[in-house]
Amino acid sequence: DVKVTQSSRYLVKRTGEKVFLECVQDMDHENMFWYRQDPGLGLRLIYFSYDVKMKEKGDIPEGYSVSREKKERFSLILESASTNQTSMYLCATAGVSLLETQYFGPGTRLLVL
Amino acid sequence: DAKTTQPPSMDCAEGRAANLPCNHSTISGNEYVYWYRQIHSQGPQYIIHGLKNNETNEMASLIITEDRKSSTLILPHATLRDTAVYYCFSYNQGGKLIFGQGTELSVKP
Repeated sequence: DVKVTQSSRYLVKRTGEKVFLECVQDMDHENMFWYRQDPGLGLRLIYFSYDVKMKEKGDIPEGYSVSREKKERFSLILESASTNQTSMYLCATAGVSLLETQYFGPGTRLLVL
Repeated sequence: DAKTTQPPSMDCAEGRAANLPCNHSTISGNEYVYWYRQIHSQGPQYIIHGLKNNETNEMASLIITEDRKSSTLILPHATLRDTAVYYCFSYNQGGKLIFGQGTELSVKP
């Protein structure tokens, strides 16, 4: 079974703080994704990575950056957290092709005060 | 990019089949249809996917119309634990998930 873990289930931060969300997978998958999920808006892709040190912007990359130094680990960084970044953040992983089944982590619910 | 539309909510009696429809009228010939579900406060869970033919696995069956403009996810014997939001979607060529609003399925005893 694919296992995708995220560093925190719940996180509370203050406006302006730098926030790190980490995702780790144990299946040697090439592709990793970060989404945010908001009521009424569904899932929106923030960034994805198809290889170590490679990254591509998704639909809503503004205010975020990512890092993939090792294949199994994909980090999402909020450089200066804002209240409109309060959301559920979901990491997903997929095999060799970007079109393969994506497997999701449990999610991190972030509250920015 | 294929867009999907689903009814916002459905009810189903426990033990009966739950049939969840999805319209994807703009899907292209090589785009798979995927179904996931999400139980409250958890990450989405993969259920099944298909291209042209009907598919079945231990969780569900997927019926895709011949013109591929719509599909139906069938949970043959719904249980209370199947209460969740069910998402139908496809990928575009760049691998981007096109996730819709989903159907909130309530299985009632």
